[in-house]
Amino acid sequence: EPEVTQTPSHQVTQMGQEVILRCVPISNHLYFYWYRQILGQKVEFLVSFYNNEISEKSEIFDDQFSVERPDGSNFTLKIRSTKLEDSAMYFCASSVAGGGYGYTFGSGTRLTVV
Amino acid sequence: AQSVSQHNHHVILSEAASLELGCNYSYGGTVNLFWYVQYPGQHLQLLLKYFSGDPLVKGIKGFEAEFIKSKFSFNLRKPSVQWSDTAEYFCAVLWRGLSGGYNKLIFGAGTRLAVHP
Repeated sequence: EPEVTQTPSHQVTQMGQEVILRCVPISNHLYFYWYRQILGQKVEFLVSFYNNEISEKSEIFDDQFSVERPDGSNFTLKIRSTKLEDSAMYFCASSVAGGGYGYTFGSGTRLTVV
Repeated sequence: AQSVSQHNHHVILSEAASLELGCNYSYGGTVNLFWYVQYPGQHLQLLLKYFSGDPLVKGIKGFEAEFIKSKFSFNLRKPSVQWSDTAEYFCAVLWRGLSGGYNKLIFGAGTRLAVHP
């Protein structure tokens, strides 16, 4: 069964550093998403991406965050200057058509900011 | 604003007990509803989904959920749980933007289920 692949599975970074989280969505999917889950809290929407542009973003997704689809397969989330409160599990997801049939989530990247 | 409420934050059951996890949503439009499961250390997996039609939806691993529109509810059920069902369960509603095309999943806070042998 097709999978959404995320790398790395765990990243530790120092506060103020830039991090790039990588995702390879399912090849025929058109919509891409990032969600995050701070330890012990609910899964929160960050951003959706379609047709090479952001279609929606949450309040969390401020100027420190950016997304990119640099080639035909990767979908990246960049945090420009990490803060302690960015420590979370970040999930990438993709869907065929607007999520109506459900998303496929990746296994997540656990980001620890120290 | 759209929201999803899961009433039970932590449920402890013995094997073979029946399970029902509550989920209520607040959203006035056409709803697409989902239950996801997250096993310890793993990613979110889709258990089942509702779009339209039969309000009783059957999913994987013996789970089912019933959509009751009048109650804005989508409760998850399983007649007999197993130790391997120990996980966190998330109810979610798909929110469609004003244009109808943009969307995001709104998740509930999750219910942590522990099944004891």
